Amino acid sequence: GESVGLHLPTLSVQEGDNSIINCAYSNSASDYFIWYKQESGKGPQFIIDIRSNMDKRQGQRVTVLLNKTVKHLSLQIAATQPGDSAVYFCAEISHQTGANNLFFGTGTRLTVIP
Amino acid sequence: DSGVTQTPKHLITATGQRVTLRCSPRSGDLSVYWYQQSLDQGLQFLIHYYNGEERAKGNILERFSAQQFPDLHSELNLSSLELGDSALYFCASSVGPKPSEQFFGPGTRLTVL
Repeated sequence: GESVGLHLPTLSVQEGDNSIINCAYSNSASDYFIWYKQESGKGPQFIIDIRSNMDKRQGQRVTVLLNKTVKHLSLQIAATQPGDSAVYFCAEISHQTGANNLFFGTGTRLTVIP
Repeated sequence: DSGVTQTPKHLITATGQRVTLRCSPRSGDLSVYWYQQSLDQGLQFLIHYYNGEERAKGNILERFSAQQFPDLHSELNLSSLELGDSALYFCASSVGPKPSEQFFGPGTRLTVL
C-alpha cells in the first residue's frame, strides 16, 4: 500500500520565524494531499489541501507546495506563533486507483519557542 | 468544535473485554471513518462507511468491527482486547463518499490494563 512519511520528526522554531514541514510520499498515483494539525488532546484539524494538478496553494499564513517529480510535499507556516505548536500530519489519497481512504504520515512535532 | 462527537472520551478496561465506541458525524455528513492512533504514531485507517454501507477497509483487526446505523451514527466494537489495543480512536466524517475534507472528532482514549 501507499506510504507517507516525514523527513523531520521534530522541529523547533522561534516565534515569528517561518516554519517548513516536509513530507515524502511513495505513491505516484496520489492525486490529493491534505495537511492536518493535531494539538495535544485533540483530533486532527484540517489546515489546507492541494490537488495534484497544482504546485502551490496558499491559505492564511500557510502555503503548501507540491513537487510531483520527487514526490514531496511541504507546509510553510509564516510568522509562526505559539499557537502553531502541534503535530502536523500530511495525508494522501489516490482517487484514480479507487482507493477510498487517506494514508497518513507519522507526523512532525512543531514546537514554537517564545 | 468540528461538529463530530465521540463517546466516551475515556475508557479503561481489562484484557479480554469488549468495548463499543460511538461516533455521531456532522449534520449532513454521510461518511464516517474510524482511525486508530497509538502513542506518538500517525493515524491508521481502520474502516469507512458511507450511508450505512462499508466502503473501505484498512488495517482493521478481525477482533474489531464497525457499523453505521440508519441515523448515520457509527459504532466501533473492539473485542478480546489486548494491551496493544490501547490507543486513541478517532472518528471523522465527510459529506460524500470520498475522504476529501474530513472533520475529526475529539477521540476516545482507550486504555487496556
